[in-house]
Amino acid sequence: QKEVEQNSGPLSVPEGAIASLNCTYSDRGSQSFFWYRQYSGKSPELIMSIYSNGDKEDGRFTAQLNKASQYVSLLIRDSQPSDSATYLCAGGRGFKTIFGAGTRLFVKA
Amino acid sequence: DVKVTQSSRYLVKRTGEKVFLECVQDMDHENMFWYRQDPGLGLRLIYFSYDVKMKEKGDIPEGYSVSREKKERFSLILESASTNQTSMYLCASSFLAASSYEQYFGPGTRLTVT
Repeated sequence: QKEVEQNSGPLSVPEGAIASLNCTYSDRGSQSFFWYRQYSGKSPELIMSIYSNGDKEDGRFTAQLNKASQYVSLLIRDSQPSDSATYLCAGGRGFKTIFGAGTRLFVKA
Repeated sequence: DVKVTQSSRYLVKRTGEKVFLECVQDMDHENMFWYRQDPGLGLRLIYFSYDVKMKEKGDIPEGYSVSREKKERFSLILESASTNQTSMYLCASSFLAASSYEQYFGPGTRLTVT
């Protein structure tokens, strides 16, 4: 069974801090990786995609991929209360994507 | 911007009813997906389609069927709704091209079966 594993949290960080969200995956054939943000009662929203090893930065978000360790992470700099949500990690082989169950993030004002 | 719409945000149906959930995307995406999301279980793939009239079973297809008669529209059908099908149903779409597999989600339909 191919899986994407995340700590369910909640992860609590103070406003302005760096939030670090982590994810591991079991399918070594996975080629594409994604982070989605999901607010309570809403649908997932794509915030980052990463396809090759290393870091990818977009504003306050940095995605990191290490295929050798089968590890993906998302860093959120200068965390804001509006970042409080569940973050879903996902990995895909071709166009089929497997989602983790999500990590709840709480940013305290 | 990619737009994926779903026919209803909230739906209440009785056990045994036939239920239709519709999804429409406006980005000319080849792939369309139906998921259900339950607390603690994450997103589980029910069915997906990579072309008109083509469909493939996902991880939990039992009790569901799908229809894709037009590229932009993908319907999920619950043949005889049961209480264990109470869930949030999410439709998503993506391109088929290897350069871009990002899936974009609709707003979801929260279905309650009583």
